[in-house]
Amino acid sequence: NAGVTQTPKFQVLKTGQSMTLQCAQDMNHEYMSWYRQDPGMGLRLIHYSVGAGITDQGEVPNGYNVSRSTTEDFPLRLLSAAPSQTSVYFCASSYGTDNYGYTFGSGTRLTVV
Amino acid sequence: DQQVKQNSPSLSVQEGRISILNCDYTNSMFDYFLWYKKYPAEGPTFLISISSIKDKNEDGRFTVFLNKSAKHLSLHIVPSQPGDSAVYFCAASANGGSNYKLTFGKGTLLTVNP
Repeated sequence: NAGVTQTPKFQVLKTGQSMTLQCAQDMNHEYMSWYRQDPGMGLRLIHYSVGAGITDQGEVPNGYNVSRSTTEDFPLRLLSAAPSQTSVYFCASSYGTDNYGYTFGSGTRLTVV
Repeated sequence: DQQVKQNSPSLSVQEGRISILNCDYTNSMFDYFLWYKKYPAEGPTFLISISSIKDKNEDGRFTVFLNKSAKHLSLHIVPSQPGDSAVYFCAASANGGSNYKLTFGKGTLLTVNP
């Protein structure tokens, strides 16, 4: 039982490049989310999904795309990287009901130069 | 406008004493609250939660108190241990107990001194 697995752990991109941050969970969780953490800003919700085929925008969705074709996977795509997207990205999954918090991955540290 | 506020960026306590971390919220639609702990270079770890129908929830050394009229919650850690040193995030949800869409505070760095 690996929990939530994020790859890569570190990435450096040039402005304008695109890439996909991978996230996979093996707990059969319905709910999955992507957050970004910036210094002094806490965690902000980018996109979330309440099940396969269902996604919606969070607080800071601009510049990011998601899809959820399977229960296990929830990739985050950066369409055209900008320095403002330099951040630590966390993927999380949950049963979504009372007393169950999100299980977070260990994060992807992204730098856009 | 920040809907979940943790006004103390840091807190330092002695081992064995009580740690009290505070959190305020402005959105009256929030009905479920959670605390997470985060160590450097790791993802946040779920600690404890409370529904708005309760005013207290305990789990071992951790107790969360909710004061709905004041829109305030607090996390008590008793007794504090050096391994509790981490950043603590308060989070809230407005989805009727389904916590798939969380709003986080900025976090409080707790340091427990031996």
